[in-house]
Amino acid sequence: GDSVTQMEGPVTLSEEAFLTINCTYTATGYPSLFWYVQYPGEGLQLLLKATKADDKGSNKGFEATYRKETTSFHLEKGSVQVSDSAVYFCALSAGANFGNEKLTFGTGTRLTIIP
Amino acid sequence: SQTIHQWPATLVQPVGSPLSLECTVEGTSNPNLYWYRQAAGRGLQLLFYSIGIDQISSEVPQNLSASRPQDRQFILSSKKLLLSDSGFYLCAWSEGADTQYFGPGTRLTVL
Repeated sequence: GDSVTQMEGPVTLSEEAFLTINCTYTATGYPSLFWYVQYPGEGLQLLLKATKADDKGSNKGFEATYRKETTSFHLEKGSVQVSDSAVYFCALSAGANFGNEKLTFGTGTRLTIIP
Repeated sequence: SQTIHQWPATLVQPVGSPLSLECTVEGTSNPNLYWYRQAAGRGLQLLFYSIGIDQISSEVPQNLSASRPQDRQFILSSKKLLLSDSGFYLCAWSEGADTQYFGPGTRLTVL
């Protein structure tokens, strides 16, 4: 079945450091890929997405590129801020061709940025 | 624009008591609806999803149930809560495409 493997956390970085959170996936067909962010005590927010190979999703300074050859969708940001402290989830969707739109989530990576 | 509401925001219930959590979506028609549970410090577990009124699929056998009495209303219930039901419950919707949008969540503590 489909699966998502995320970098184990927690990750602690200093402000303005470069961030990479690794995500790899296993899926049949051509899934869409997502990064969601969860701030303390809140629901999940869509951060960015990519729907086909070589697409780059970007939002709020975060980027991730859909790499079919390595089945990866790593999240990056050039200079993190304290406000980026949150839990980040990588997810995939098998898509409407499969009859529904269930998402398969990774386990989440907790990121803490220290001033 | 679409919005999703969940209530209550927090709930403390004794073991063996019933449960009813409500989720409503505004600004869209015939959405797919989802219930997830997030245990403390852990990932998301899909509990139920629905592609239409009275069309509900269960992902995990347990003492919870879900109902969809109206197009944009999704209810999570239990007749008798267990300690292990404690967690953060998230409702989400999608509009036929693959992106899901999440509500603010309900934090349930079972004592």
